[in-house]
Amino acid sequence: KQEVTQIPAALSVPEGENLVLNCSFTDSAIYNLQWFRQDPGKGLTSLLLIQSSQREQTSGRLNASLDKSSGRSTLYIAASQPGDSATYLCAVRDFQKLVFGTGTRLLVSP
Amino acid sequence: GAVVSQHPSRVICKSGTSVKIECRSLDFQATTMFWYRQFPKQSLMLMATSNEGSKATYEQGVEKDKFLINHASLTLSTLTVTSAHPEDSSFYICSASGQGGAYYEQYFGPGTRLTVT
Repeated sequence: KQEVTQIPAALSVPEGENLVLNCSFTDSAIYNLQWFRQDPGKGLTSLLLIQSSQREQTSGRLNASLDKSSGRSTLYIAASQPGDSATYLCAVRDFQKLVFGTGTRLLVSP
Repeated sequence: GAVVSQHPSRVICKSGTSVKIECRSLDFQATTMFWYRQFPKQSLMLMATSNEGSKATYEQGVEKDKFLINHASLTLSTLTVTSAHPEDSSFYICSASGQGGAYYEQYFGPGTRLTVT
């Protein structure tokens, strides 16, 4: 059974810092990995999707990497801003299903 | 493009009543829809997967007679929580996929907050 873990569970940083969120999964037989953002009481916003054949994806200040063989992904956020405060979820696609991680709650203070 | 809506966004119902949540794909045909629930400060847990015109496939531990899922058209799926109890209070999120295969992305709705009193 696929299990997805995210470290740290919570992170508080001052504005401007670069930061890394970690995601690990137990079964490397995945189709893709996706990073989402969730604001309190809201749905999910897709940030980046990495296919299993890819190593990384970039969008603006966000960069996500994937090492399928070791079961790891990282989300790098450059020059963090207070508006980045949210919960970040990673999810791996296991055939049709998405298996979600436990999430990292990020707080960026001005 | 790829917008998914849910209705209602919030609902409060009394214990023992049933409540229906709608999930619509607004600008694409969703051959597959997924229903998730999320407890406070926890991650999303898949409840069931539904393909248009077919019976839903429920995850282990999810009562199919309690959580009725209908996917009668390519743009609409409904989740009915029957005989709701306070422990059913949760955040329910649907997602839709335009194709049934593994490579196609799921697009998520904004969620429905259910409170059972």
